[in-house]
Amino acid sequence: KQEVTQIPAALSVPEGENLVLNCSFTDSAIYNLQWFRQDPGKGLTSLLLIQSSQREQTSGRLNASLDKSSGRSTLYIAASQPGDSATYLCAAGGGGFKTIFGAGTRLFVKA
Amino acid sequence: NAGVTQTPKFQVLKTGQSMTLQCAQDMNHNSMYWYRQDPGMGLRLIYYSASEGTTDKGEVPNGYNVSRLNKREFSLRLESAAPSQTSVYFCASRTADTNYEQYFGPGTRLTVT
Repeated sequence: KQEVTQIPAALSVPEGENLVLNCSFTDSAIYNLQWFRQDPGKGLTSLLLIQSSQREQTSGRLNASLDKSSGRSTLYIAASQPGDSATYLCAAGGGGFKTIFGAGTRLFVKA
Repeated sequence: NAGVTQTPKFQVLKTGQSMTLQCAQDMNHNSMYWYRQDPGMGLRLIYYSASEGTTDKGEVPNGYNVSRLNKREFSLRLESAAPSQTSVYFCASRTADTNYEQYFGPGTRLTVT
């Protein structure tokens, strides 16, 4: 059974810092790994999706990597801003139309 | 661009009452999903519909029923609400291409007293 873990559960950094959020999964038989952002009281917004055949994806200040062999994905945020404060969730897409989510990392960027 | 819409946004029920959560998508996606999100936990899949006319149980289906009314709409019904069903409910749909990217609605915050 697929399990997805995100560490740390919460993170506080000063503005301008580069940071890495971690996501690990137990079953490497995934077809994609998706990173989402969730603001308080809101839905999930897709940030980046990495297909199983890819190693990384980039969008602006965000870079996500995928290492299936080690069961890990990282989300790198460059030059963090207060507007980046949110909860970040990773989700491993597996077979049978099922996607397993991590519990998220709550990020706070201090001005 | 409507994307995935959900109604209602908020709902308070008493134990034993029933209600239906509505979801619609305008992206012509085949598959649709219902998740619940509880504090400290990731999203958990309740039911999904791989295509119009089919539905399947997810991780936590007990106490829920679903209907895939047509390609656009996928509803979730609570027949007899219980306090354990207090949660935030999200509907999602997924692209049919090889990306299999999921798009989410804004959620319904349900409280059962």
